[in-house]
Amino acid sequence: EDQVTQSPEALRLQEGESSSLNCSYTVSGLRGLFWYRQDPGKGPEFLFTLYSAGEEKEKERLKATLTKKESFLHITAPKPEDSATYLCAGSGSARQLTFGSGTQLTVLP
Amino acid sequence: EPEVTQTPSHQVTQMGQEVILRCVPISNHLYFYWYRQILGQKVEFLVSFYNNEISEKSEIFDDQFSVERPDGSNFTLKIRSTKLEDSAMYFCASSVTGEGQPQHFGDGTRLSIL
Repeated sequence: EDQVTQSPEALRLQEGESSSLNCSYTVSGLRGLFWYRQDPGKGPEFLFTLYSAGEEKEKERLKATLTKKESFLHITAPKPEDSATYLCAGSGSARQLTFGSGTQLTVLP
Repeated sequence: EPEVTQTPSHQVTQMGQEVILRCVPISNHLYFYWYRQILGQKVEFLVSFYNNEISEKSEIFDDQFSVERPDGSNFTLKIRSTKLEDSAMYFCASSVTGEGQPQHFGDGTRLSIL
């Protein structure tokens, strides 16, 4: 059974304080590792897809990386508008996404 | 930018009633999905749909659930006889192709069963 585990559950940062979110995965026949952002009352918003170990993707203050067992979402000099829940999901031999529980990020001004 | 739209945003229904949740996927996408998120829990896969038939479904998607693409734009999820435990956010998603492609989500329908 595919599993995705995220840590920490919640993270509070001061504006400008960089940090990383962790996603550990066990996904049979990984076809893609996805990062989403979810704001309260909204659907997941796609951020990145990673396909193979060593791959990195960047968008503004966010950088996602992938190893054979984990993915990290690095947040550099975050701003209050980066506050959201960040979800990690894996897609394997079955096309459905298996989601983690998410990391709720709060960036304080 | 194209987006997935879902209606209604909130549906309140009496237990035992039928409910239909509606979605308009992104127009050039071929794969369609339904997920649900019970308050405080993970987003869970329900069903995927391609070429007018179900391609995969989870254990949650039992005989009370059905999906349909009644025309060229809409994609619906029907729950025949709702239970209290069906209360959740229901998200529709679509992707261009299936394997390894990002799925784009709507903002969901909050279903409340009384």
